[in-house]
Formats: sequence, structure tokens, C-alpha cells
Amino acid sequence: QVQLVESGGGLVKPGGSLRLSCAASGFTFSDYYMSWIRQAPGKGLEWVSYISSSGSTIYYADSVKGRFTISRDNAKNSLYLQMNSLRAEDTAVYYCARVSENSSGYDYWGQGTLVTVSS
Amino acid sequence: DIQMTQSPSSLSASVGDRVTITCQASQDISNYLNWYQQKPGKAPKLLIYDASNLETGVPSRFSGSGSGTDFTFTISSLQPEDIATYYCQQYDNPSITFGQGTRLEIK
Repeated sequence: QVQLVESGGGLVKPGGSLRLSCAASGFTFSDYYMSWIRQAPGKGLEWVSYISSSGSTIYYADSVKGRFTISRDNAKNSLYLQMNSLRAEDTAVYYCARVSENSSGYDYWGQGTLVTVSS
Repeated sequence: DIQMTQSPSSLSASVGDRVTITCQASQDISNYLNWYQQKPGKAPKLLIYDASNLETGVPSRFSGSGSGTDFTFTISSLQPEDIATYYCQQYDNPSITFGQGTRLEIK
């Protein structure tokens, strides 16, 4: 069965860095576009970034552009999010999600990993 | 960027009621509109994709319609397990945005 498992979250000071990972299993990872989506405590969903199946096409939300970097290693079935210059407003649960093969929807999501930016 | 206006922000209804949520895009997004259900402490779940297509395994009481800028999500007969927050999401490459969410409660 399809599984997405995020890791790497934690407490970090403003201006610090963190690298999130998402381990994929149960499907051919290299065939799918992937995204990071976040949710601040008690708030709605915010798309962060997505990457094409090969990694050649990448987009970011304006709120993270220049600070976050998405990448993938298809040999390791893994998705990453390097987060630099973190701010308090980046505090959120970060989900990795798979873009459906048949639509623009996200058909599988991980359980999320909490990132807290605080001094 | 395309903005999504979702309404209402909260809704209280009785078991068996028909429930409708709307989402309006700030510009034409064709049918690139998806709907999700999120229960507390859980990841969102895709219910409807491309405006009107039911995701595999999702009960048929859920439906979606619309195109262009105006979209509707409907639960034909509300069940207790439908208590959740619902989000619309548009995809207009390269922009992706979610609606603000609708919290659905049982009356």
C-alpha cells in the first residue's frame, strides 16, 4: 500500500535551518509529481512547493521562495525540503503529498511532521 | 495568484440534511478544482477531483460541480462521520491555492 512518512521536524530558532524528509513506498516514486503542503496550528492548508517526477520542474509559494528548496532522490524513493532562514510564521505541520496520476488532486498524504520556529 | 473564496466558513446541520459548500476562484480555472475532507489530527483526504469526479472509494453522497470560477460541493445526506473541515483546492500551473476551509458540525 502507498505510504508517505515524513521526518525531520522539530524546534528551531528564528533564522535557523531544518531539512525535512519524506520516505515513499508502495508505488513507483519516480513516476509521480510530489508536493509539500503545510498547516499552521489551527489554520488552513497552504501549498509550499512541488516537484515534477524527474525533478526538472519546481515551483514554490511566494512565502517560501528563496528560503526553501525542494528536491528528490528517486533512487532512494525520497522527497526533501530544505528550509533556511526560518521565521515564526513557518511554524506548521508539514505534509508531503503525492499528485494523482489522473488529476491535479493530492491522492496520498503523509501523517505530517511539526516544525516549530521559536526562540 | 489565484484566490479562492470558500463559504461558509462554518456550518451546522442535522444528520440527513443536504449540505452545500461553495468555492469561487478569482479567475477562470476551468475544472482544476479539488475537494478534501480533513478530520482533527489527520491528513486531508481527497474526495472530489477535477470539479466533479468522485475519488475511488469515496461514498456517493459526496458530489461536486462547476467550472470556470464557481464550484459547489454537496453532501446529499449528512452522516455523523462527515464531521470534518472541508477544503477546496485549485490547480492553475504553477499556482496552487486552497480555500479557507469550511468547518462542518452536527446540529
